[in-house]
This record gives sequence, C-alpha cells and structure tokens, in this order.
Amino acid sequence: DAGVIQSPRHEVTEMGQEVTLRCKPISGHDYLFWYRQTMMRGLELLIYFNNNVPIDDSGMPEDRFSAKMPNASFSTLKIQPSEPRDSAVYFCASSPDRGRAFFGQGTRLTVV
Amino acid sequence: AQKVTQAQTEISVVEKEDVTLDCVYETRDTTYYLFWYKQPPSGELVFLIRRNSFDEQNEISGRYSWNFQKSTSSFNFTITASQVVDSAVYFCALSEGNNAGNMLTFGGGTRLMVKP
Repeated sequence: DAGVIQSPRHEVTEMGQEVTLRCKPISGHDYLFWYRQTMMRGLELLIYFNNNVPIDDSGMPEDRFSAKMPNASFSTLKIQPSEPRDSAVYFCASSPDRGRAFFGQGTRLTVV
Repeated sequence: AQKVTQAQTEISVVEKEDVTLDCVYETRDTTYYLFWYKQPPSGELVFLIRRNSFDEQNEISGRYSWNFQKSTSSFNFTITASQVVDSAVYFCALSEGNNAGNMLTFGGGTRLMVKP
C-alpha cells in the first residue's frame, strides 16, 4: 500500500490566490482528517470525514477554508483567498474504524 | 475538554543515554486512546503506539517503552540507549472514546536531540 498521498509537497503562492491541497487516503479507510501544523499552534485538527461525509469542521479557521471529499479516494482542502497567516504544513490522515491514523507527508504552504 | 501537555519542549542527550519524554493528559471520558507519534526532520508523522484507557499494562518494543498510569493521567515514553537516529520531535496525542473516529488532540511536542 502506498500510504496516504498528498500533493503538492510544497506550495508557494501570493496572498489572495486560491490554493488547493489534495489527498488520497489509504484504500478501505473510512475516516479522513485534515490537520494543520504551525509553530504557534502546533498540530490542530481542521476537519474530518466519515464515509465521505464531513462530520466535524469546527477546527476550520474561517470561511476562506473549505474541504470536500467527492469520493472515498480523494479529498481537497481549499483556501480562497489565501493569506500569509495560512502558511503552515497541512497534513492529511486516514484511519480505519477506530484504528490508528496514518499520516501523509504533508504539504508545506507558504503564502507571500 | 480534552488536553495534552508535554512539559518538556526540548531535550538534549548524548548517544547511549536513556531519556524519558513526559506526557500528561486531561479528559472526562472513561474510554479514551493515547498515542505517540514521531516526527523526524523529514517532516512526516510516524505512528509509534496506541493504548486504550482500559489497558494499563506497560509496553516495550525494542529500545522503546511506555508507562501508562491512569492515577497520574500520564503516558510517558522512554528510549533506552538513545541513538542519533532518534533525534526528532515526539508528539503525544489523545482521542476520546465518544469520538466517532480518531480525532486526535496533540500535545505541543518534545524535540529530542541525540548527540554523538
């Protein structure tokens, strides 16, 4: 199994631009999570899905952030418009039932 | 509200020393899960262990061992005979039992530096 795959690995964009981060979870995992890691706030959960349905998005910082999971093998996290304070590493993770979460390698986003 | 505290932000040891990373958690649930993850310089998060709240038996895996004590709400991680490759940031995390999935609340992490 290839594990959780995230793309791109690095993204540099200008303030105000739209950014889309992508994630392919491990096949058969029912849960998908988006986390953000910053120096100031550490690792924090943004949103998670169960069977492609968003369950808890209370961690999404504001309306500029949106996430979708159109099918079991793909999810996106979109930021529109992006701001410098969105600069962070964004991790996608998937897990089966109550099993451990498997993390992708992360996308390092820099908004200038 | 659940919370995870890793009081040690940074630890530096010399190779072959033993080192213990502390983790204290808070939760009102009686059913919960505790995790440790390793984040090496390459950036990915590597799963190390998961324990449920009903299993207080300590666990050993090679040079790694974990001490779970519900009485003190602690889940400490010890590396025996540390090696340079152990240098990383280590995160303790908590998932409450009433979560539908495995929403993780992470501690702030402990940066471990093992010097040759």
